[in-house]
Amino acid sequence: KAGVTQTPRYLIKTRGQQVTLSCSPISGHRSVSWYQQTPGQGLQFLFEYFSETQRNKGNFPGRFSGRQFSNSRSEMNVSTLELGDSALYLCASSEEGGNEKLFFGSGTQLSVL
Amino acid sequence: GQNIDQPTEMTATEGAIVQINCTYQTSGFNGLFWYQQHAGEAPTFLSYNVLDGLEEKGRFSSFLSRSKGYSYLLLKELQMKDSASYLCAPRGGGSYIPTFGRGTSLIVHP
Repeated sequence: KAGVTQTPRYLIKTRGQQVTLSCSPISGHRSVSWYQQTPGQGLQFLFEYFSETQRNKGNFPGRFSGRQFSNSRSEMNVSTLELGDSALYLCASSEEGGNEKLFFGSGTQLSVL
Repeated sequence: GQNIDQPTEMTATEGAIVQINCTYQTSGFNGLFWYQQHAGEAPTFLSYNVLDGLEEKGRFSSFLSRSKGYSYLLLKELQMKDSASYLCAPRGGGSYIPTFGRGTSLIVHP
């Protein structure tokens, strides 16, 4: 099976712009989670989607949003970008999102100038 | 929320044994994961503990003490390729979403 695929791998934006990141989970996985990783804060949970519904949400402002499609692919959007949004954004999938381990993609490195 | 404490960095010699400790504070504890992340790569699953005791998997073992809010990852016969960040991720608060620590950067010297 192919692993979790994230696109693009790198992205450079300026403050105030918006960005959309894409994640294709492992075939058959219905749960997709998004994380933000920075050197100072580590891996922080953004949200989780299951069967096209947001099931869990972390403590991030409303500028961060996401969605999941019927084929389980997911996108996350960040509007009105700030310098502090510069980070590695990781997507992870699992079959049901319960007690299972997560399979991570290689991430999208976002730089906001 | 959950407080997770693990050392920022550790160094060890090839062939040696290293123990990476993790302490956490959480209500409604529901298991603890360890993940490995090489620089520039995705985190990958190493182990999962939900009951007290030691889980052994090849060169890697993970221990859990729920009463002490403590876990460790034990790496034996260290190899250069073990140089990576090791992330402790307990679950609690009634959620199955793990909360990740900031990770321990392990540097293995020849």
